[in-house]
Amino acid sequence: GAGVSQTPSNKVTEKGKYVELRCDPISGHTALYWYRQSLGQGPEFLIYFQGTGAADDSGLPNDRFFAVRPEGSVSTLKIQRTERGDSAVYLCASSLVPGGAGELFFGEGSRLTVL
Amino acid sequence: TQLLEQSPQFLSIQEGENLTVYCNSSSVFSSLQWYRQEPGEGPVLLVTVVTGGEVKKLKRLTFQFGDARKDSSLHITAAQPGDTGLYLCAGHLVNAGGTSYGKLTFGQGTILTVHP
Repeated sequence: GAGVSQTPSNKVTEKGKYVELRCDPISGHTALYWYRQSLGQGPEFLIYFQGTGAADDSGLPNDRFFAVRPEGSVSTLKIQRTERGDSAVYLCASSLVPGGAGELFFGEGSRLTVL
Repeated sequence: TQLLEQSPQFLSIQEGENLTVYCNSSSVFSSLQWYRQEPGEGPVLLVTVVTGGEVKKLKRLTFQFGDARKDSSLHITAAQPGDTGLYLCAGHLVNAGGTSYGKLTFGQGTILTVHP
């Protein structure tokens, strides 16, 4: 597709369950970012990839959160033992190169609700 | 503590009024960007400013980057209901060696509502 695609768009799960959120970036974009956003707030940085490697994972809140990008394209954000506080919209973005003045192109997000 | 402080957090105005949103930090940024986000969608880039003191205009929107590259402002002239949305500033920090970090840090956003 032409834009960043995220699936699922909505995910409702129970406390303690495992979830995976998928991001398909714009073709050819080497940098991929994950953010978490609460209603009416700015996106909170989680992790970004340059190619297959995590260049900066300083925003991951704890070891229940993990992300991979094995082939340098699609990325999966994995959350283990979900907690109610994990409920948020998870945004993925990609850019041609990281840093500098590059534009980030965002997907529409995956809304996670933990009951 | 927010690295980028936006003010005000909420702004409710009538159509035709002017407004300014501020984005402040004690840190230096290699560039600052402004994004606009509508409900159910991801943020969309409005502008990037890279030079201290730079001013950019986009129709009724004027963006300014502070001389020290620590702050920015967004001014909207004659606001319209279509301007309603969440406005976000975001920047790439510069480390002690002068290199820009790859991650983009966002402010907490300003929710703008323009009433007809």
